[in-house]
Amino acid sequence: QVQLVESGGGVVQPGGSLRLSCAASGFTFSSYGMHWVRQAPGKGLEWVSFIPYDGSNKYYADSVKGQFTISRDNSKNTLYLQMNSLRAEDTAVYYCCRGSTGFDYWGQGTLVTVSS
Amino acid sequence: EIVLTQSPGTLSLSPGERATLSCRASQSVSTSYLAWYQQKPGQAPRLLIYGASSRATGIPDRFSGSGSGTDFTLTISRLEPEDFAVYYCQQYGRSPTFGQGTKVEIK
Repeated sequence: QVQLVESGGGVVQPGGSLRLSCAASGFTFSSYGMHWVRQAPGKGLEWVSFIPYDGSNKYYADSVKGQFTISRDNSKNTLYLQMNSLRAEDTAVYYCCRGSTGFDYWGQGTLVTVSS
Repeated sequence: EIVLTQSPGTLSLSPGERATLSCRASQSVSTSYLAWYQQKPGQAPRLLIYGASSRATGIPDRFSGSGSGTDFTLTISRLEPEDFAVYYCQQYGRSPTFGQGTKVEIK
């Protein structure tokens, strides 16, 4: 069965960096585009970034452009999100999602807390 | 950016009742790229409807989606206890956006 497992979240000081990972299994990872979506505590969903199946392009929400970098390693079935210059407003649960007809599978999420 | 506005913010209903949730877009959305998700506390969202009206795998037929252009609707024909949750609409074109959510609560 399809599984997406995020890791790499934690507490980081403002201005710091984190790299999130999403390990995929149960499907042909290299055939699907992948997204990151975040949800601040008690708030709604915000799309963050998308990378096509082959990594040929990268797309970002305006709120993270120039700050976050999405990447993937199809040989390791893993999606990444490098987050730099983190701010309090980046505090959220970060989900990786498979892009298909809609975002059809989601991981359980990893919590990123930006606080001094 | 396409802004999606959901209404109402909260819907208070009893099990067995019909729920009608609205999603209005700031500009026309291709029906191919309109989805609905359900989220329960502490859980990741779950895809219910894609392409405005197609049910995702394993979704019961009491859930249905309709609409086109700028107005879309999610209908739950008869609420089951497990349906009380928050529902989000989404357009998943080039720059995806979500509505702010509708909470369906037990009356």
